[in-house]
Amino acid sequence: AQKITQTQPGMFVQEKEAVTLDCTYDTSDPSYGLFWYKQPSSGEMIFLIYQGSYDQQNATEGRYSLNFQKARKSANLVISASQLGDSAMYFCAMREGGTYKYIFGTGTRLKVLA
Amino acid sequence: DARVTQTPRHKVTEMGQEVTMRCQPILGHNTVFWYRQTMMQGLELLAYFRNRAPLDDSGMPKDRFSAEMPDATLATLKIQPSEPRDSAVYFCASGLVVNQPQHFGDGTRLSIL
Repeated sequence: AQKITQTQPGMFVQEKEAVTLDCTYDTSDPSYGLFWYKQPSSGEMIFLIYQGSYDQQNATEGRYSLNFQKARKSANLVISASQLGDSAMYFCAMREGGTYKYIFGTGTRLKVLA
Repeated sequence: DARVTQTPRHKVTEMGQEVTMRCQPILGHNTVFWYRQTMMQGLELLAYFRNRAPLDDSGMPKDRFSAEMPDATLATLKIQPSEPRDSAVYFCASGLVVNQPQHFGDGTRLSIL
């Protein structure tokens, strides 16, 4: 069973608008962590934001915020005020329990339009 | 900013040759991961080490792949003999504690002809 699901293979957004990238996960472990990474066309993997399963508040990092809905097992990434430089592949990942292993989703390719 | 350093960035070689990829984790990070990224399979964890000891290499084809950490500043991933299906981008990442993110290197783009 797929543990991390990103259902949007590709998304377009107009510059300066907000965009939400979906991520759902599946785990029976009460302790887990959720991560988002950005992979621009140059290929590197850039960490964006982290949410722990016990965190009470939704994580925010600058223009990135994580809409964490535990009951629905979703951890959507919200990018506010999109910029052309936000065009990239975005990966959601989950770490279960005390393990160091990440499971990655298949990614969403975001294109920001001028 | 501290970075994970991977060498080489690109490697093109013929089938059957040995390939060695190297990774220098961020200083102080004690957990090192090797990933492979392909269009078909996405990002797959091959192996990881904690305090230089291998913890999990279940994602790695054992017959031709080997991963080692000869010291705290160097991790290696070897393929011998290489095959065209090994063509991929190989990432190294390092981390410190479970609730902190893994930091990735820029990857080695490997092409086996």
